[in-house]
Amino acid sequence: SAVISQKPSRDICQRGTSLTIQCQVDSQVTMMFWYRQQPGQSLTLIATANQGSEATYESGFVIDKFPISRPNLTFSTLTVSNMSPEDSSIYLCSVEGTSGSSTQYFGPGTRLTVL
Amino acid sequence: GQNIDQPTEMTATEGAIVQINCTYQTSGFNGLFWYQQHAGEAPTFLSYNVLDGLEEKGRFSSFLSRSKGYSYLLLKELQMKDSASYLCAVRNSNYQLIWGAGTKLIIKP
Repeated sequence: SAVISQKPSRDICQRGTSLTIQCQVDSQVTMMFWYRQQPGQSLTLIATANQGSEATYESGFVIDKFPISRPNLTFSTLTVSNMSPEDSSIYLCSVEGTSGSSTQYFGPGTRLTVL
Repeated sequence: GQNIDQPTEMTATEGAIVQINCTYQTSGFNGLFWYQQHAGEAPTFLSYNVLDGLEEKGRFSSFLSRSKGYSYLLLKELQMKDSASYLCAVRNSNYQLIWGAGTKLIIKP
């Protein structure tokens, strides 16, 4: 499985500001995913990011609020824009493995608190 | 709609066996995954089933019945470190992963 790192690991931000989360993978991967996990809840997919194309957003998530970059096959960023306390959550990036099962492997997550 | 159902919480005793069930209704089926997630950490992959039957991996086994839309994760010889949430996820015909809400497993000495 790939080794995935995320920065920052946690942050506390003020309402109305923006935060960019970075996700770095130690090998080239086609598909990267961004998830949100609110306390005590399961994972919610925000968007799928493929290199060289626009990210595909899930229902309820829009590019203006969660712009994503995917400049190459090992890196992606997610920005949480104009934050409100409701954006407080853990944000996780994941990548799809190369085995036949296409298992997803997760980064360590970014814990975001918005005051 | 599509949904995954798992018990919210289970309690078991150290050294015992516990079975965590998962039922699903999805638009098509292309595999079922189990993940373990310790509090404050990211999910880690445990098992994958795409054909009916039992897959065994050490103390953990996972079973699938596609006709019943049912899976379970069996944990044997429970250890305190097995206290975690266990997430069931199904890949549908559009290759989307549908996630369950997770089962919080509490292990008591």
